[in-house]
Amino acid sequence: KAGVTQTPRYLIKTRGQQVTLSCSPISGHRSVSWYQQTPGQGLQFLFEYFSETQRNKGNFPGRFSGRQFSNSRSEMNVSTLELGDSALYLCASSPDRGRDGYTFGSGTRLTVV
Amino acid sequence: QKEVEQDPGPLSVPEGAIVSLNCTYSNSAFQYFMWYRQYSRKGPELLMYTYSSGNKEDGRFTAQVDKSSKYISLFIRDSQPSDSATYLCAMTNYGQNFVFGPGTRLSVLP
Repeated sequence: KAGVTQTPRYLIKTRGQQVTLSCSPISGHRSVSWYQQTPGQGLQFLFEYFSETQRNKGNFPGRFSGRQFSNSRSEMNVSTLELGDSALYLCASSPDRGRDGYTFGSGTRLTVV
Repeated sequence: QKEVEQDPGPLSVPEGAIVSLNCTYSNSAFQYFMWYRQYSRKGPELLMYTYSSGNKEDGRFTAQVDKSSKYISLFIRDSQPSDSATYLCAMTNYGQNFVFGPGTRLSVLP
């Protein structure tokens, strides 16, 4: 059974640019959540999608957005990148909104220079 | 006060030791409690999952939840060098976002 797949694994962008990260959940999982992980702040919740609808949103500026497609695949977008956006971005999927825990992907490491 | 606090570590123990990892939380609405293990350069991996109060055992791992004290623990028996990782507690109420602790880095020395 394939796990959660995130692409790309590594990304280097320049300040002011925008970036799109992709997540393919485990087959049959309808809930996808995104997290930002940094050494100083730990794992911080960005947003959750369930059946193509955003159900929860964390305390991040509007530059961070996401969407989920009918096949449950999800993308997140960060516009006008700042140096502080450098982080590991993790996607996690669950059959039913985390009731049985989330399965994480290996993440996309974004470096903003 | 942070919503979830965790023993900061780092923690170093000899191989074979019993390890105790702990988290406290402030939100009494949390119903689902999890422990994740994260190796360097990898995403977190779900280790244990508990609903409400009680104990759950899986091999060398035991998770305990005490909702009255808002306290959860993970015990690792017969620790192995392969257990060296960062351990994250996480909790939620159904339909709400997960809240993670900051993590405890564990090193098991051969």
